[in-house]
Amino acid sequence: GEDVEQSLFLSVREGDSSVINCTYTDSSSTYLYWYKQEPGAGLQLLTYIFSNMDMKQDQRLTVLLNKKDKHLSLRIADTQTGDSAIYFCAEGHTNAGKSTFGDGTTLTVKP
Amino acid sequence: DTEVTQTPKHLVMGMTNKKSLKCEQHMGHRAMYWYKQKAKKPPELMFVYSYEKLSINESVPSRFSPECPNSSLLNLHLHALQPEDSALYLCASSQGQGVDSPLHFGNGTRLTVT
Repeated sequence: GEDVEQSLFLSVREGDSSVINCTYTDSSSTYLYWYKQEPGAGLQLLTYIFSNMDMKQDQRLTVLLNKKDKHLSLRIADTQTGDSAIYFCAEGHTNAGKSTFGDGTTLTVKP
Repeated sequence: DTEVTQTPKHLVMGMTNKKSLKCEQHMGHRAMYWYKQKAKKPPELMFVYSYEKLSINESVPSRFSPECPNSSLLNLHLHALQPEDSALYLCASSQGQGVDSPLHFGNGTRLTVT
């Protein structure tokens, strides 16, 4: 079955870059998503990447995809205290609701 | 601000109460979902509605009863819940139901069962 793994915690200083990593097992995955969850809120779609891409950049966010290793990363440049949140990696599914989520990485940004 | 609106934001109920959670979206999305999320965990799918019809029930106990009155509204009726049902209940919608349809989440209802 599908499995998505992430490291649970990451702590960085304000202004540094953050890199959140994710590994997945389903080699047929076509869409991979990153969601952000702030305290007391729902999940917010940050970005996604299609499997025929190696990289996608959107302002401060860079997604890298290594299909051979089934490894996905999210880089946040110039990390701010407002970036403190839980970040979930998710594999798309033929039924969108059945996307497989990782356990989430809690990012703490220290001033 | 999220485009999926959930009410109430917080709900405390006893094990004999009946209550309902409500969700509304006006993005024209045809798929809507209920998820349950425990603290520090990813959301777990409960129900999927596609074109106002229930398409997936992830073996959810019958004390949770979903309803989709129209394409914009989704309800979750609660009855005789247990303390372990306390969680954040998230509603989501998507334009389509396929792998290329990202999920749009509401801010959830924080449910406490006493």
